[in-house]
Formats: sequence, structure tokens, C-alpha cells
Amino acid sequence: GQQVMQIPQYQHVQEGEDFTTYCNSSTTLSNIQWYKQRPGGHPVFLIQLVKSGEVKKQKRLTFQFGEAKKNSSLHITATQTTDVGTYFCAGVPMDSNYQLIWGAGTKLIIKP
Amino acid sequence: SQTIHQWPATLVQPVGSPLSLECTVEGTSNPNLYWYRQAAGRGLQLLFYSVGIGQISSEVPQNLSASRPQDRQFILSSKKLLLSDSGFYLCAWSGDSSYEQYFGPGTRLTVT
Repeated sequence: GQQVMQIPQYQHVQEGEDFTTYCNSSTTLSNIQWYKQRPGGHPVFLIQLVKSGEVKKQKRLTFQFGEAKKNSSLHITATQTTDVGTYFCAGVPMDSNYQLIWGAGTKLIIKP
Repeated sequence: SQTIHQWPATLVQPVGSPLSLECTVEGTSNPNLYWYRQAAGRGLQLLFYSVGIGQISSEVPQNLSASRPQDRQFILSSKKLLLSDSGFYLCAWSGDSSYEQYFGPGTRLTVT
């Protein structure tokens, strides 16, 4: 079946270091979305990428959508304690009826 | 603006007892509605989605059911809970022509 692989499962960084999570889909996507879930909270929509090769920035966060529309990445520059949480990608296959295929998430942990 | 409500926030139920979780959305009409379950430290599992009143699609076989008696109300039910039903239950909505999903605060269910 259709799936989105997301790696790594966890990433431990020192505050101020960069963080990257990657998603790879088994099928071509019409768009991909990114969500953040703080510990104990619910997922919150961050951004949607639609165009092949698209790059979007939100302050220290950079989101990319691959040329083939099958992969995506989220890069955080100079992490802060407020960035702690789990980041999920979710893709919409070309033939989807509004269902999202979710990655398993990458948990960002800031080392004390 | 749109808001989504879920209750209760936490619930402890014995095995074999019934379950009813309610989700309501305000500030939008004809939303797509979703029920997800999240095991501790894991990703999101789509349980049910609905594109309209009385229209329910199930994604995984289980002892749960869902109903949509009104346009902005989505209910998750079980006649007899199992230990494996424990988890974090999240309701979400999306517009009828968009893909990004907005989540409620969730219900933490512990079956004992």
C-alpha cells in the first residue's frame, strides 16, 4: 500500500545545532504537509507544499518538496527549546480523496 | 474563526465498558471530519473519516464505530472496550476543498 517513510525516528541535538527530518513517499504526491506536535499536545499544521521543487521558509524552518514530488524535508536552523516536539509529514497521493498518508514522525530532543 | 472541541480530555474505563467520544467543529460548514488514534510515542492511525452527514468510511477493522449525526458533530463509539483500545484519540477537520487538517485537543483513554 501507499506509505510515507520518515527518518530519523529521533534526533538529539544541542541547543543551537541544526535539525533535519526527511520524508520519502512510495507514490507521487499532489502535495505534502508538515505538522508539529508538542509533548502532550495535538498536531498543529505548519505548512503545505504543492509545487515540484518548492522551497518555503518560516523563520528558522525551511521546507522542501522534491522535484519528483515524492520526497520532502524540514530543516531547522539553530534549534531552540521551543522547537522540541515531534514533526510529522503527511502526503496527499495524486488520487486521494482528501486522506493524508502520515509519516511516523521525527522526535526532536534538545540535550541539556 | 474555526474551532474544534473534543471531550472529555481524559478518560479511564474498565475493559468491556462502552465508549462515546464527541467532537464538534464551529465556524465552518460541511467539513471533512476524521478520527485518529495515537499510541504512546507513535504516529497517527486514521480510524474513520466522513465527508458528510451519515457518510462514514472506516480505515481499519476494529471494535470501534463512528457516526456523524449532524454536519459538525462526529462521534466515536464502542460497545465493549478492549485493553488495546487505550491511546490518544484525536479528532480533526479539513475544508471540503482543502487538505490541511486541524486537530482538536484529544482524549487520552486508558482502558484498565
